[in-house]
Amino acid sequence: EAGVTQSPTHLIKTRGQQATLRCSPISGHTSVYWYQQALGLGLQFLLWYDEGEERNRGNFPPRFSGRQFPNYSSELNVNALELEDSALYLCAASERGETQYFGPGTRLLVL
Amino acid sequence: QKEVEQNSGPLSVPEGAIASLNCTYSDRGSQSFFWYRQYSGKSPELIMFIYSNGDKEDGRFTAQLNKASQYVSLLIRDSQPSDSATYLCASPRGSAQKLVFGQGTRLTINP
Repeated sequence: EAGVTQSPTHLIKTRGQQATLRCSPISGHTSVYWYQQALGLGLQFLLWYDEGEERNRGNFPPRFSGRQFPNYSSELNVNALELEDSALYLCAASERGETQYFGPGTRLLVL
Repeated sequence: QKEVEQNSGPLSVPEGAIASLNCTYSDRGSQSFFWYRQYSGKSPELIMFIYSNGDKEDGRFTAQLNKASQYVSLLIRDSQPSDSATYLCASPRGSAQKLVFGQGTRLTINP
């Protein structure tokens, strides 16, 4: 069974640009979580999508947004990029309320 | 006080010895805990989870939960150099079941 996949693996952007990150969950997993792992700050919860709806968001500004598609894959969009947005962005998937399994991550570098 | 706290280390253990990783939490309502292993530059990989007071064993790994003391630990027996990684303790929060992570403990196994 394929695990959680994410694309791209690396992304380089400049300040003010927009970044789009993608995640495909494990088959049968309807919940997708997004986390940010910035250097020195640990893993922080960003967003939770379930059954196509945004269900919860962490303490991040509105320029972090996303969506979940009918096939349960998900997209994270970061608008007006700032230098401090440079981080590893991790997607995790689960059957609702169950154990979360992480994808390989997208490393975003904002110059 | 952080919700989930870990000693960031580094923790250095000789090969073949027992590595003991500790985590404390502030929310007495926490019901479950997850241990993830993260190799440098990689995403977190689930090691094991524990819901009940006491010990849970899986191969060389034993998780211990003491709800009265709000303490959870991970023991790694017969430590191998391949166990060298950062170990993350996490607990789900709220209806979103978003994971709240400790800052991670960096473990080095010395041959």
